[in-house]
Formats: sequence, C-alpha cells, structure tokens
Amino acid sequence: RKEVEQDPGPFNVPEGATVAFNCTYSNSASQSFFWYRQDCRKEPKLLMSVYSSGNEDGRFTAQLNRASQYISLLIRDSKLSDSATYLCVVNPRNTGGFKTIFGAGTRLFVKA
Amino acid sequence: DVKVTQSSRYLVKRTGEKVFLECVQDMDHENMFWYRQDPGLGLRLIYFSYDVKMKEKGDIPEGYSVSREKKERFSLILESASTNQTSMYLCASFGREHQPQHFGDGTRLSIL
Repeated sequence: RKEVEQDPGPFNVPEGATVAFNCTYSNSASQSFFWYRQDCRKEPKLLMSVYSSGNEDGRFTAQLNRASQYISLLIRDSKLSDSATYLCVVNPRNTGGFKTIFGAGTRLFVKA
Repeated sequence: DVKVTQSSRYLVKRTGEKVFLECVQDMDHENMFWYRQDPGLGLRLIYFSYDVKMKEKGDIPEGYSVSREKKERFSLILESASTNQTSMYLCASFGREHQPQHFGDGTRLSIL
C-alpha cells in the first residue's frame, strides 16, 4: 500500500461546480498535512496547510480526519483557473520534516 | 515570501557531461532538498541537506552528488550524465519541522 494515496482523476467539472478530493495516508503518526497545487510543467506551490479543526481559505476548505487517516480538499464555485494537479502532502511525526511524502496528485479540469 | 531560485529553467546536455544544477534560497532555511519529477512517478527525493556541509541520501541518489558549502546554496551534480536522467529537477527548502516546503521554478533537463 502506498504511504499516501490519491485518486489520479482526471476530474472534469463545469465552471461553478463544487469538487472534492480525498487523500488517504498509512502512517497514523503523521503530524502535518498540506495541499499543493501544480500547474502543467511548473513547480508545486503551497495551496494550504491542513489543521485538525479544518480550515478554509476563500473557496477552498481542507479537512483532516485522523481516525480514518484521510484529508480532503473541497473547492467551491470552480474557476477555469483552478485547473491543475492537486498534491496531498504528509509529514510523519519525529522525522524532522525530512520524510515528507507527496501524493502522486489528482488532476482537475474545469470546463467553461 | 520565500524565494527559491534555480539557476536554469531549461538545460540541454550531452551524455557523459558533468552537470551542475544550482539552487539558492533567501529565507535562511537550514533544510534544502533536491527532487526529480517524472510522469507517472511523482516527486522522488534525490538528496537533502539539514545544514552547511551536511547531506543525506534520499530515495534515488545513484548517479548524483550534492554540495552545500553555504547555507543559502544547494547544488546538485550529475557526475556523468545519462539519458535516463532527463527529467524535471526541483529544489525545495523549509525552515522548521512541520512547516511546508517551498519549491523553486524547476529545471527541465534533457540529456542527449
């Protein structure tokens, strides 16, 4: 089983739709969690950190479920510019941040 | 904002050449990383460094070496480039454990 698993997609949604991605992780001792966005042929960029209580940044909402070992990203009112690959990122506890695990990504296409 | 700068966006080299990829960050981060990213394989860690002159192998160090002579600079060296090292190379840094990594723009390297 992969340490971090994501549905590769692609998710094809119309503008204005709400779309949700899940990501599961296998190490129950994981400590910190992030969502990154990566555009085609560009570097990954931090979208948002994921906190235990859940957090929101504009149209984006991230949630963490430690009991079930998954994190989620919800995008409301999708825009064409949201088309990208979304990477789930997990840092295991007590590894100094040197064992960061990147998911393979979920591709999103938002259509007009 | 964290700024991670890679020396080249695109690079073309020949088999057998020694290749240097440079990365500089301006946030006084102790921790720096080199990854490669290939279609279908996601991000793979080559080497990382947690301090000046300190280096640790990642998951795929074979055929690569690194140098960290100054805190802000982390160099990746392909000792004798081969065609299977054609890839997107990404440098990243972070400050403290549980903080997210920040990436440079990436270097798209082609070995002919």
